[in-house]
Amino acid sequence: EVQLVESGGALVQPGRSLRLSCVASGSSFDDDAMHWVRQAPGKGLEWVSGISWNSVYIGYADSVKGRFTISRDNAKNSLYLQMNSLRAEDTALYYCAKDRGFGGMDVWGQGTTVTVSS
Amino acid sequence: DIVMTQSPLSLPVTPGEPASISCRSSQSLQHSYGHNYLDWYVQKPGQSPQLLIYLGSNRASGVPDRFSGSGSGTDFTLRISRVEAEDVGVYYCMQALQTPLMYSFGQGTKLEIK
Repeated sequence: EVQLVESGGALVQPGRSLRLSCVASGSSFDDDAMHWVRQAPGKGLEWVSGISWNSVYIGYADSVKGRFTISRDNAKNSLYLQMNSLRAEDTALYYCAKDRGFGGMDVWGQGTTVTVSS
Repeated sequence: DIVMTQSPLSLPVTPGEPASISCRSSQSLQHSYGHNYLDWYVQKPGQSPQLLIYLGSNRASGVPDRFSGSGSGTDFTLRISRVEAEDVGVYYCMQALQTPLMYSFGQGTKLEIK
């Protein structure tokens, strides 16, 4: 069974950049779409971005469009989120999640924390 | 963009009693092939979210049969036939229809034990 481990979270100043990574282990993930979902402190879940298995289809929430870039390297079983022009409202726990291919995200990581503050 | 609205936002339930959560979408989630692209997740305290129901009414692997999903188009319901203490958490619906990839969650419903 696939396991997902996120990394790259940090405390960063507003306007700076950060790159999150998510590595899949236990099984190959190159057949599956992948997503980033975030949760601000004390708040609900917010879908951030998704990418199809072959990187042909990519989508972003309006709140991050133009600032964040999702990508993947199937050879490395890795998913990435490049976050530029970070804002205080981007402060959150960022999860990566695997799409089961026909409805639902069935595997989630434990998350990595991003804090944007001066 | 598709907006998801859940009710209630807070749901106190006595163990053994049923519970129901409503989720409405601003646009139909029914695909031309007939499937409804609506999923349900639960986030238990201190844990990552986990998938409960996919495509409106299909239980994910390992989900107890006391959980069921129903609905079509813009109106969906998650039902728990008999609530147990371990069901405490926040329940979210999520639409996965909008293309290109642009999903969205409801606000979440916090289920607590009376």
